[in-house]
Amino acid sequence: NAGVMQNPRHLVRRRGQEARLRCSPMKGHSHVYWYRQLPEEGLKFMVYLQKENIIDESGMPKERFSAEFPKEGPSILRIQQVVRGDSAAYFCASSPSGDEQYFGPGTRLTVT
Amino acid sequence: KNEVEQSPQNLTAQEGEFITINCSYSVGISALHWLQQHPGGGIVSLFMLSSGKKKHGRLIATINIQEKHSSLHITASHPRDSAVYICAVSRSNYQLIWGAGTKLIIKP
Repeated sequence: NAGVMQNPRHLVRRRGQEARLRCSPMKGHSHVYWYRQLPEEGLKFMVYLQKENIIDESGMPKERFSAEFPKEGPSILRIQQVVRGDSAAYFCASSPSGDEQYFGPGTRLTVT
Repeated sequence: KNEVEQSPQNLTAQEGEFITINCSYSVGISALHWLQQHPGGGIVSLFMLSSGKKKHGRLIATINIQEKHSSLHITASHPRDSAVYICAVSRSNYQLIWGAGTKLIIKP
């Protein structure tokens, strides 16, 4: 049973471009969480999704950020018109039941 | 005051030493997590606890619900244990409240 997969592992974007981060949960897991870790800071909750539904997006910036978890395929965290302040590590976690979370390796986004 | 406090913030020890990292929290929780993050690397979930004690290899985690305190112990520490160890608590079914992390360096 493969762990949580995230890709790409490293992503470089110029200011104004779009960033798409993918998360494939563990097999059988229908709960996905996205976290952001800014340099020298701890992780911050962004959004919690179940298949085709956003359960809690209270940690998501109101503009430019969106997330989805379609019936088929990975969860996508999308950042439009990236700015330098978006540079961070983005971690995805999955859970079978909304309890214990299993983390992916993260995607390091660098905005130049 | 942070809802989850870890101590120490930094810890340097010699290979073979017994390591203890502490976590105190001030809110009601459903579970407590210990996670490990290597420099430039991803996060690995080590333990999830709601009571008692768990052991995995050289790692032991304990929790005292009444005292709102948890400890992570590493026996026979090794340089490859060098990482940041993070304590996080679950208040609802999903949102985790994170401690600031303890940076551990084990010298050979």
